[in-house]
Amino acid sequence: DIQMTQSPSSLSASVGDRVTITCRASQSISNFLNWYQQKPGKAPKVLIYAASSLQSGVPSRFSGSGSGTDFTLIISSLQPEDFATYYCQQGYSSPPLTFGGGTKVEIK
Amino acid sequence: EVQLVESGGGLVQPGGSLRLSCAASGFTLRSYSMNWVRQAPGKGLEWVSYISSTSRSIHYADSVRGRFTISRDNAKDSLYLQMNSLRVEDTAVYYCARLQAAYSSGWYFDHWGQGALVTVSS
Repeated sequence: DIQMTQSPSSLSASVGDRVTITCRASQSISNFLNWYQQKPGKAPKVLIYAASSLQSGVPSRFSGSGSGTDFTLIISSLQPEDFATYYCQQGYSSPPLTFGGGTKVEIK
Repeated sequence: EVQLVESGGGLVQPGGSLRLSCAASGFTLRSYSMNWVRQAPGKGLEWVSYISSTSRSIHYADSVRGRFTISRDNAKDSLYLQMNSLRVEDTAVYYCARLQAAYSSGWYFDHWGQGALVTVSS
């Protein structure tokens, strides 16, 4: 099974900051990496699929990059509504569709 | 509007059984593969089970294989998860999630339900 490792597990940032979250796969997954945002008490929501494609309705301050084993989610200018937990998920192989451990973005 | 609504959660004793349902609306369920994903309190997301659009292909996480059974009724626009031999560690919010799968984009979950809480405790 493909293992997904996210870093950091948590970070503190201020409104307006540029935030970078990384995700590493245990083997190459081409560009089949997805990012989700989850707020407390809510279901996750897909932000980016296939490493860099922005899901419809997602603000352009979110962007993704990477291929192979190393991927990055960037929030260019953190907004108050962006404080949440972010998960990566590999979409390369048939199940199990593994998630990373999550990165909690908190207010500094 | 795509909607997924889970039901059937609750409190059950270790060793007991529970059946979750997920009612789909706003799209043609028979055209999509579906999944269950869970989240233990304060923990991350864990994929649980997958079922193809025709039920021909089914997969389970190692942690639930042999105890959980996924099924669907496309005529009723419904997805199910039968959970037997429940353990304390199965306590979690269970989400049903629609799968988008394409050659160019890979596999990702584009719509999720609000979740159903399952608590396994004596």
